[in-house]
Parts: sequence; structure tokens; C-alpha cells
Amino acid sequence: GNSVTQMEGPVTLSEEAFLTINCTYTATGYPSLFWYVQYPGEGLQLLLKATKADDKGSNKGFEATYRKETTSFHLEKGSVQVSDSAVYFCAPIFPSGNTPLVFGKGTRLSVIA
Amino acid sequence: DTGVSQDPRHKITKRGQNVTFRCDPISEHNRLYWYRQTLGQGPEFLTYFQNEAQLEKSRLLSDRFSAERPKGSFSTLEIQRTEQGDSAMYLCASSRDRDRGGYTFGSGTRLTVV
Repeated sequence: GNSVTQMEGPVTLSEEAFLTINCTYTATGYPSLFWYVQYPGEGLQLLLKATKADDKGSNKGFEATYRKETTSFHLEKGSVQVSDSAVYFCAPIFPSGNTPLVFGKGTRLSVIA
Repeated sequence: DTGVSQDPRHKITKRGQNVTFRCDPISEHNRLYWYRQTLGQGPEFLTYFQNEAQLEKSRLLSDRFSAERPKGSFSTLEIQRTEQGDSAMYLCASSRDRDRGGYTFGSGTRLTVV
């Protein structure tokens, strides 16, 4: 069946460190892939997306590349800031019918100065 | 546009009572989604509407849950005979047909059943 697996947190990094949050999926066909972010006290926001293989989504210094061969969509940022502290969710839309976003469990990131 | 609005922000109710939540989507968005999120988990899909038609319901949505979207505008989610396990954040999101996966979320309604 269709599923998404996301790296468990929490992740604690020092400012300017490199960030990777792993996300893999299992699907029949090729999903569209999204990363959402939830800052403390705020609603979920779309961070970036990729809709086909080898696409790279990017926003606010974050990047993720749709890797069909490894069924992955890992989130990366070269130099994190304290303001990046949030919970990050990987969320595919699987290709069957009109299915909505399916969210991973989330990874909490804390960046310390 | 002020985004997706949810009301109330917080609701505390006694077990066995009925509660109703409201969601006002972005006006030009014809799709509306309800999710539930518990502490430390990702949002779980409950149901969604395209205009006024309810197109899909999760198995999580027991008979005690009902959702409506009259006239394809705002939506309500009602929980009858609430149980402690219903305590969660209830999230509403909206999107246009062509923005597949690009949802705008509201701030949620936090339900506590005591």
C-alpha cells in the first residue's frame, strides 16, 4: 500500500549546521511530494514541492530532490538558523484518484545559537 | 483575503456532549479538507469536499462524526457524544483544483474532552 516514512526527531543543531531530514515513500505509481512546516504557535505552511522525478523543490534556503530510484524526498538546508526551529512534515499525494495529502509523523528541529 | 479561518480556537467539553466546529476557507478555493492532529503526530485525514460534494471520508471518521459544506462555502464538523479519545487539534485546509497538494491551513480548533 501507499505510505510515507519520515526520520524521527527531535533533531537539535547548532546555528549554521547542515540539516538533513529523511523522507521515503512506498507507492503504486509516482506521487507528488511536499514538505510542510509548522512553526511554534502557527498553522501548517507549504515549504516546497516536487511533482515529478528529478524535480528539485526549493524555498527559504531549503531544498529537496525527488529521487525515483530511492523513493525519497530528503529535506536539506546548508546553514540552519534559530528561526528554522519548527516541526517539518513530509507529505505525498499518492496518484490514485483524488486522494488528499498523507502526512508523515513530523520531525521536530531545534536550532540553538 | 485573510486565509482559512477556524472557529472556535479552543473548545473544552464534557464527555458525551456534542460539539461543532466551523471552517471558512479562502473564497476562491473549491476544495476543503478536515484533518485531525494529536500531540507528536502528523495530521490524519478525515474528509474532504469539492464544492458542496463530500468526495472522500477516512475510516477514522466514525458514525459520531459528520461534516457538511452547504453551498460550497464554509464547512462544519460535528462530533456527537464526544469521547476522551476525540481530544485533538482539528485542522481545516483549502485549495484550488489545480493546486494539488498546495493547501492553505487554518490555525485549528483544539478540542479537549474532560
